[in-house]
Amino acid sequence: GNSVTQMEGPVTLSEEAFLTINCTYTATGYPSLFWYVQYPGEGLQLLLKATKADDKGSNKGFEATYRKETTSFHLEKGSVQVSDSAVYFCALSRGGSGNTGKLIFGQGTTLQVKP
Amino acid sequence: DAGVIQSPRHEVTEMGQEVTLRCKPISGHDYLFWYRQTMMRGLELLIYFNNNVPIDDSGMPEDRFSAKMPNASFSTLKIQPSEPRDSAVYFCASSASSGRGYEQYFGPGTRLTVT
Repeated sequence: GNSVTQMEGPVTLSEEAFLTINCTYTATGYPSLFWYVQYPGEGLQLLLKATKADDKGSNKGFEATYRKETTSFHLEKGSVQVSDSAVYFCALSRGGSGNTGKLIFGQGTTLQVKP
Repeated sequence: DAGVIQSPRHEVTEMGQEVTLRCKPISGHDYLFWYRQTMMRGLELLIYFNNNVPIDDSGMPEDRFSAKMPNASFSTLKIQPSEPRDSAVYFCASSASSGRGYEQYFGPGTRLTVT
């Protein structure tokens, strides 16, 4: 079946450090891939997405590239800030005629950025 | 657009009482999702609707939980009777099948505490 696996957290970094949060997936067909961010006390917000292989999603300095050969969608940011402290969720939706509208979420990775 | 609207934002109730959570999706979206989030179990999909029709309610924990969507702009999640283990943050989300990838937009959540 379809699934998403994220690296376990918490990830603790100093301000201005480089960030990578790993995400790999299992899916049939050609899923769309997403990263969501949840700040403390808030709902999930769409951070970026990619809908086909080799697409790069980007937003607010974050990037992720849809790698079909490695079934991965790793989240990266070159220089994190304290304000990036949040929980990050990787997710997929099945593509094409197999799409049910559901998103399959990873378990979430907590990022803590220290000044 | 105002985004997904949920009410109330916080609910404190006693065990055995009925609780009703409300959601207004983004106008024009044809999918609506109810999630529950706890520290222990993470983010769980409870039920989702397409064009006001329940599609998959396999995540509803037990018969005490019920959800309705009487029209395209309103949905309720009801717990009767409530129990302390129902304490969680409940999120509503909506999406549009016309969009690429079916990304979901989340409301701010209702924090439910059952004492």
